[in-house]
Amino acid sequence: KQEVTQIPAALSVPEGENLVLNCSFTDSAIYNLQWFRQDPGKGLTSLLLIQSSQREQTSGRLNASLDKSSGRSTLYIAASQPGDSATYLCAVSTTSGTYKYIFGTGTRLKVLA
Amino acid sequence: DAGITQSPRHKVTETGTPVTLRCHQTENHRYMYWYRQDPGHGLRLIHYSYGVKDTDKGEVSDGYSVSRSKTEDFLLTLESATSSQTSVYFCAIRGQQGSHNEQFFGPGTRLTVL
Repeated sequence: KQEVTQIPAALSVPEGENLVLNCSFTDSAIYNLQWFRQDPGKGLTSLLLIQSSQREQTSGRLNASLDKSSGRSTLYIAASQPGDSATYLCAVSTTSGTYKYIFGTGTRLKVLA
Repeated sequence: DAGITQSPRHKVTETGTPVTLRCHQTENHRYMYWYRQDPGHGLRLIHYSYGVKDTDKGEVSDGYSVSRSKTEDFLLTLESATSSQTSVYFCAIRGQQGSHNEQFFGPGTRLTVL
């Protein structure tokens, strides 16, 4: 059974710092991996999607990498800003054809001004 | 936002009453999903649909049923609500072919069962 873990559960950093959020999964047979952002009381916003054949994806200050063989993905945020404060979730999609996602429990990020 | 709306956005109900949550999408997506989000558990899949009248169970389907009579609407029903079903419920859609299974989420429904 696929399990997805995100460590740490919470993180506080000063503004301007570069940071890395971690996501690990137990079964390397994934179809893709998606990173989301969730603000308090809100829905999930898609940040980046990495297909199983890709190693990384970039969008602005965000860079996500994928290492299937080791069951790991990282989300790199450059030059963090207070507006980046949110919970970041990763999810992996199975290869079964139903495209179901298994989610991690998230990392709650606070960027201090 | 992929044109996804959920209704109601907030609901308070009593144990034993039936509750139906609605997810509506405007872009003709084939796959739709219902998740619940609880502290310490993250998001967990309840049911999903891969077409009109085609649905299947997720990992936490007990106590829930779904229906999809037309492409744009996916309904989640709690036949007899229990306090353990107090949660935030999210609907999601799978992007169209070529989006590589990117999923997009609705704004959520906060359900409280007293």
